[in-house]
Amino acid sequence: GAGVSQSPSNKVTEKGKDVELRCDPISGHTALYWYRQSLGQGLEFLIYFQGNSAPDKSGLPSDRFSAERTGGSVSTLTIQRTQQEDSAVYLCASSLDRASYEQYFGPGTRLTVT
Amino acid sequence: AQSVTQPDIHITVSEGASLELRCNYSYGATPYLFWYVQSPGQGLQLLLKYFSGDTLVQGIKGFEAEFKRSQSSFNLRKPSVHWSDAAEYFCAYLNRDDKIIFGKGTRLHILP
Repeated sequence: GAGVSQSPSNKVTEKGKDVELRCDPISGHTALYWYRQSLGQGLEFLIYFQGNSAPDKSGLPSDRFSAERTGGSVSTLTIQRTQQEDSAVYLCASSLDRASYEQYFGPGTRLTVT
Repeated sequence: AQSVTQPDIHITVSEGASLELRCNYSYGATPYLFWYVQSPGQGLQLLLKYFSGDTLVQGIKGFEAEFKRSQSSFNLRKPSVHWSDAAEYFCAYLNRDDKIIFGKGTRLHILP
């Protein structure tokens, strides 16, 4: 079956523009995560969706970041008024349920803000 | 505070040599621990996980890890590395909010 997919794979944008990053999780996976990976910083947790529950937004670095998950499947991470420090690889992961804890990662979207 | 620490940013070993990547955790109870690998141009892949039971955990690609409560460690090992093992390795734990938190990673370089 298909794995987690993310689009676009690369995005270059000008400072101040808004961007949308998309994640298609594995079919049937109820949990979906967004992470940010900056050079030398490991993976920084951003937001977590579990089924129909309210998302855990505790990792979002500012109110310029938001995410939604429609129909319990596809998720979009939106960054408004991008800044150069937003440049990073944004990774999405899904897992079967809250208890399985085995995450399947997508290939990521490399965002460059110029 | 809960955390995992990977003390080595870079490790270089020769092909065929043994490998040990260090991970130390700080957690009150028995943690749920993971090792992930991120190969160049590929997404992260779970190598192994420890929740409870046998403290020596076998994973994919010939890797194993041992949970040592006395040392607060969960080191990853492989008896003989291959050039294809060159990658970045992340230790992670499950925090009290059911989120998986990653260490900063160790980049493994393989000498031919």
